[in-house]
Amino acid sequence: GQQVMQIPQYQHVQEGEDFTTYCNSSTTLSNIQWYKQRPGGHPVFLIQLVKSGEVKKQKRLTFQFGEAKKNSSLHITATQTTDVGTYFCGGYGQNFVFGPGTRLSVLP
Amino acid sequence: NAGVTQTPKFQVLKTGQSMTLQCAQDMNHEYMSWYRQDPGMGLRLIHYSVGAGITDQGEVPNGYNVSRSTTEDFPLRLLSAAPSQTSVYFCASSSGTPHEGNIQYFGAGTRLSVL
Repeated sequence: GQQVMQIPQYQHVQEGEDFTTYCNSSTTLSNIQWYKQRPGGHPVFLIQLVKSGEVKKQKRLTFQFGEAKKNSSLHITATQTTDVGTYFCGGYGQNFVFGPGTRLSVLP
Repeated sequence: NAGVTQTPKFQVLKTGQSMTLQCAQDMNHEYMSWYRQDPGMGLRLIHYSVGAGITDQGEVPNGYNVSRSTTEDFPLRLLSAAPSQTSVYFCASSSGTPHEGNIQYFGAGTRLSVL
């Protein structure tokens, strides 16, 4: 069945460093969504990508959807302590499936 | 608006006990779903509903039942709790199906321990 993987599983960065998480699907996706979950909290929607090669920005966050629509990335420039949390991607291929997430910790 | 409300927030059960996790949304969303979240496993879909009276199984449905008698409510029932069901459970709703590009709104979660 459809699988969505994310790397890395964990990332520790110093405040001000950049961070990137990658999302890879075993099947072509019609869309991909990114969510953020703060420690002890619930997932909150960040953004959705639909088009091949699409790039969207939200302040310090840049999201990309691969040309083949099987992978995506989230890049955070100059991380802040408020960026701490787990970032999930989810996409629809055969079903809507979430990846296992990347847990980001930011050291002040 | 309250959004998606889950009760209880925490629950401890003994093996074999049954219980119902409640989920209610006030956004008039047609699509509702239940996920469980385990360390390193992300969010796995248990059951979902595309509207009142319609439910279907997700990726990990065994040991759980659901019903959808109203648009607002989507309870999740554990028939005979097992330690393997220790997890954090999230209910989510959206105006349409996620694969059609609809945003999912999550409740605060229920943290369940089965001893």
